[in-house]
Amino acid sequence: RKEVEQDPGPFNVPEGATVAFNCTYSNSASQSFFWYRQDCRKEPKLLMSVYSSGNEDGRFTAQLNRASQYISLLIRDSKLSDSATYLCVVNLYNQGGKLIFGQGTELSVKP
Amino acid sequence: GAGVSQSPSNKVTEKGKDVELRCDPISGHTALYWYRQSLGQGLEFLIYFQGNSAPDKSGLPSDRFSAERTGGSVSTLTIQRTQQEDSAVYLCASTLGGDIGTQYFGPGTRLLVL
Repeated sequence: RKEVEQDPGPFNVPEGATVAFNCTYSNSASQSFFWYRQDCRKEPKLLMSVYSSGNEDGRFTAQLNRASQYISLLIRDSKLSDSATYLCVVNLYNQGGKLIFGQGTELSVKP
Repeated sequence: GAGVSQSPSNKVTEKGKDVELRCDPISGHTALYWYRQSLGQGLEFLIYFQGNSAPDKSGLPSDRFSAERTGGSVSTLTIQRTQQEDSAVYLCASTLGGDIGTQYFGPGTRLLVL
């Protein structure tokens, strides 16, 4: 079983739609959680950290459920520029800076 | 300011040859990471350097892979006796101290082993 699992998609949505991505992690020792964004043939970039109480950054909302070992990312009012692959990332307790990446969920926003 | 840089941007080599990939982290960043991304796959952790501590090599797939970081700055990833399955994009990232989540990635080196 992969340590971080995501639905690879692709998710094809119209502009203005709300889309949600889910991610599960297998190691209960995971302590820090992040969403990264990767554009086609580009390097990943941090989108947002995920906090236990949930957090929002503009149109983006991240949620964490430690009991279910589940992370989500909600994008409201999708823009064409949101088209990218969204990577779910976890860091394990006591493993320093080592990050474990999911394979990513591809999003395509159409006009 | 300057971001993470990597060289070469593309490398084509023949099976069995050795290759060296270079990473220049952001100045002042104490932690440096190497990842590999195969076509359609997620990032696979390879190795992690933090300051003067012993590196975390737990992700290196075989003893053909090695990396070093000289002077706490530039890092070189070496792959000996390359195999076709080594073909991938090799990404380097750096972070400032304990801010592990904000990893700044370089553009990667695309390695193709023929």
